Amino acid sequence: DVKVTQSSRYLVKRTGEKVFLECVQDMDHENMFWYRQDPGLGLRLIYFSYDVKMKEKGDIPEGYSVSREKKERFSLILESASTNQTSMYLCASSLSGQGRKNIQYFGAGTRLSVL
Amino acid sequence: AQSVTQLDSHVSVSEGTPVLLRCNYSSSYSPSLFWYVQHPNKGLQLLLKYTSAATLVKGINGFEAEFKKSETSFHLTKPSAHMSDAAEYFCVVSENAGGTSYGKLTFGQGTILTVHP
Repeated sequence: DVKVTQSSRYLVKRTGEKVFLECVQDMDHENMFWYRQDPGLGLRLIYFSYDVKMKEKGDIPEGYSVSREKKERFSLILESASTNQTSMYLCASSLSGQGRKNIQYFGAGTRLSVL
Repeated sequence: AQSVTQLDSHVSVSEGTPVLLRCNYSSSYSPSLFWYVQHPNKGLQLLLKYTSAATLVKGINGFEAEFKKSETSFHLTKPSAHMSDAAEYFCVVSENAGGTSYGKLTFGQGTILTVHP
């Protein structure tokens, strides 16, 4: 089974703090993704990476950055956390090569509260 | 551009009765379509997928969905609901992102399914 592990289930941070969310996958997937999930809005893509050190902006990248130094690990960084970044964050991974047919596998999520 | 509309934000059924969760999509190209389920405080789990083979797709836990191109629909059904089906369900469309091998997903807003005893 594919396993996507997010390091924290719950995080509470203060406004202005730098926040790191970590994600690790164990299936040698080329693609990794970060989404945020808000009630009534579904999931929205923040950033994705298709290879080590490569990244692309998603639909809502403002206020976020990412890092992918190793194939299995993809980090989401909130440079200066704000209250409007309180949300559920989901990491996913997928194989490359079949484009739209690829299944994305999701982690359990990190619920971040910024106070 | 692609989009997904889930026509009901909440659906409530009694245990043992049929389930219908409705989804319409818009896509410029031949899309792939997925249904994911999310149980409380859990990540998303794939229920089923359509990728241009058979239009009637069977998934896990007795769910199935039918791709109807003429109606741009991909409704999710189950003949008999079980208490464990209570969760949030997401309809998802995927298209290739430009000339890449990456499939960009667009999620619907989600439908919360409640199952009464």
